[in-house]
Amino acid sequence: DSGVTQTPKHLITATGQRVTLRCSPRSGDLSVYWYQQSLDQGLQFLIQYYNGEERAKGNILERFSAQQFPDLHSELNLSSLELGDSALYFCASSVGLAEYYNEQFFGPGTRLTVL
Amino acid sequence: AQTVTQSQPEMSVQEAETVTLSCTYDTSESDYYLFWYKQPPSRQMILVIRQEAYKQQNATENRFSVNFQKAAKSFSLKISDSQLGDAAMYFCAYRSENNNDMRFGAGTRLTVKP
Repeated sequence: DSGVTQTPKHLITATGQRVTLRCSPRSGDLSVYWYQQSLDQGLQFLIQYYNGEERAKGNILERFSAQQFPDLHSELNLSSLELGDSALYFCASSVGLAEYYNEQFFGPGTRLTVL
Repeated sequence: AQTVTQSQPEMSVQEAETVTLSCTYDTSESDYYLFWYKQPPSRQMILVIRQEAYKQQNATENRFSVNFQKAAKSFSLKISDSQLGDAAMYFCAYRSENNNDMRFGAGTRLTVKP
């Protein structure tokens, strides 16, 4: 158990819909990262937040957005869903930023299925 | 942009034998971190081993060790005395010293035969 929690574990929805994925980082971790893993592929970095502020952006679609709240939990919002958005979405957390080595701890993921 | 390549989509090894998984990466940076993650069927991402680029000594964690060749931009993972529980997808990942995101390879599926 990494200490990172994600809800829900599974989500099934229809095209065109909007969903929200939630992540609670490990106690004390200020950075939260979101990754997308499509079927049998590596993880693609989407976005990172540090202490409530966006710090880095990767291959995140405009239909996707995220935020980190004062209690440090984060939400990833996916809208106008398409079949290709079906994937495993991981959240990871780390203590700080990238100025020194800090390990990212991964949550169990949320499996999103778009029908 | 940094890219990570894992040229072996699948590998298999006999229980108790040794297997080496390959990883190469492309970067113009001098300081960075490299990782191997294991993803069992549960889909949990588990850190296996990490290597700081400024360290010449290869990292070792019990049965897992790496062969880090900085000039060749190669970072292979050696698993000794393979166990059935080692069966999983293995991902190589790169993170630069100043960036916050990690770049992952496409993964290698390791099968361990009893």
